[in-house]
Amino acid sequence: GIQVEQSPPDLILQEGANSTLRCNFSDSVNNLQWFHQNPWGQLINLFYIPSGTKQNGRLSATTVATERYSLLYISSSQTTDSGVYFCAVEEGGSEKLVFGKGTKLTVNP
Amino acid sequence: ETGVTQTPRHLVMGMTNKKSLKCEQHLGHNAMYWYKQSAKKPLELMFVYSLEERVENNSVPSRFSPECPNSSHLFLHLHTLQPEDSALYLCASSQERDYTGELFFGEGSRLTVL
Repeated sequence: GIQVEQSPPDLILQEGANSTLRCNFSDSVNNLQWFHQNPWGQLINLFYIPSGTKQNGRLSATTVATERYSLLYISSSQTTDSGVYFCAVEEGGSEKLVFGKGTKLTVNP
Repeated sequence: ETGVTQTPRHLVMGMTNKKSLKCEQHLGHNAMYWYKQSAKKPLELMFVYSLEERVENNSVPSRFSPECPNSSHLFLHLHTLQPEDSALYLCASSQERDYTGELFFGEGSRLTVL
């Protein structure tokens, strides 16, 4: 099955800093989503982005499907950005989302 | 608020107990899912329901029993669980079963089995 690798596994930032999270996947995908899990366990979908670039406020994402990676950019980070960021992909024809292990982000005041 | 509500948020049970987790979605979606999140492991898909019909069961032990009485409600019935079943159980929904679109999660039910 498809493999999903996220990097870095852990990231510590000072408030106001920018960061880039990466998701590599091993095969072509029909669906790619980025999620943020807050410290209380809630998973919020940030982007549905099987290809191209999207922006939502301080967050943006780019997926280069031909090179099998996606990037999540966080600018001017805030303490509320802390949590775990997951990338999930659907391999073509599988009808199953496979999640990476996540990047744990800690933003200090 | 994602439109998916789970209860209870926390549950502690003994290995001989029977309990149920409940999920309700207010998004008009046709597919609902149960995921399990254990420490240090990726999210694992347990069950998928589409239009109240179970369409996937990822080799989940029979001590977990799902029920989908209608397209808005999903239950996970628990009985004779093991301590290793302690985890965060997440319910999700999507417009269609084929995942072409966004997945919306509830807040999760954190289960501890003593």
